Amino acid sequence: EAQVTQNPRYLITVTGKKLTVTCSQNMNHEYMSWYRQDPGLGLRQIYYSMNVEVTDKGDVPEGYKVSRKEKRNFPLILESPSPNQTSLYFCASSPGVSGANVLTFGAGSRLTVL
Amino acid sequence: AQTVTQSQPEMSVQEAETVTLSCTYDTSESDYYLFWYKQPPSRQMILVIRQEAYKQQNATENRFSVNFQKAAKSFSLKISDSQLGDAAMYFCAYRSPAAQKLVFGQGTRLTINP
Repeated sequence: EAQVTQNPRYLITVTGKKLTVTCSQNMNHEYMSWYRQDPGLGLRQIYYSMNVEVTDKGDVPEGYKVSRKEKRNFPLILESPSPNQTSLYFCASSPGVSGANVLTFGAGSRLTVL
Repeated sequence: AQTVTQSQPEMSVQEAETVTLSCTYDTSESDYYLFWYKQPPSRQMILVIRQEAYKQQNATENRFSVNFQKAAKSFSLKISDSQLGDAAMYFCAYRSPAAQKLVFGQGTRLTINP
């Protein structure tokens, strides 16, 4: 089944404890992206990648890092999480960067930072 | 920068009735793509419908249709014969032809009353 897989789905952590949210897609998509969803703000882009070893900042990149060493994987790293990073996170992918391409989303990861 | 506005945080409708969700956007581009996504309680982001700005004909997918008014920069979603399974958060989104992201509205929570 074509899909984007995120793990963990739920995580509670404490301030300052490094964590990684993994994202993997099995559709050979070139483009991958991370979003965070907060009430009243919709989804906002954190980082994106157009291909292996090519990543760039989105609208809200502060406090996050990403890497794209393989085409299928695009992990989101929180080096020192803070409570304002408590949010619902989505990974998404599409065949290319053209606006005509439809994004396929993962199931979301609910992160709570105490 | 493009912005998307959903002015109705919450809407409700009786089962089997018709409901319209509003979305406006701001852009200086002439070519772009618009989307409606559904997010049920499972949190999964599900594409409902897509509209290409260069197409004058309004997109339709079964009970879902849009009213695309390019000059007014309006993109409303009409749900006919509402069903209990339509209850969800609905997001309107915009994407430029070569843009690296979707720009989302704030979302509208739709409740279906039996």
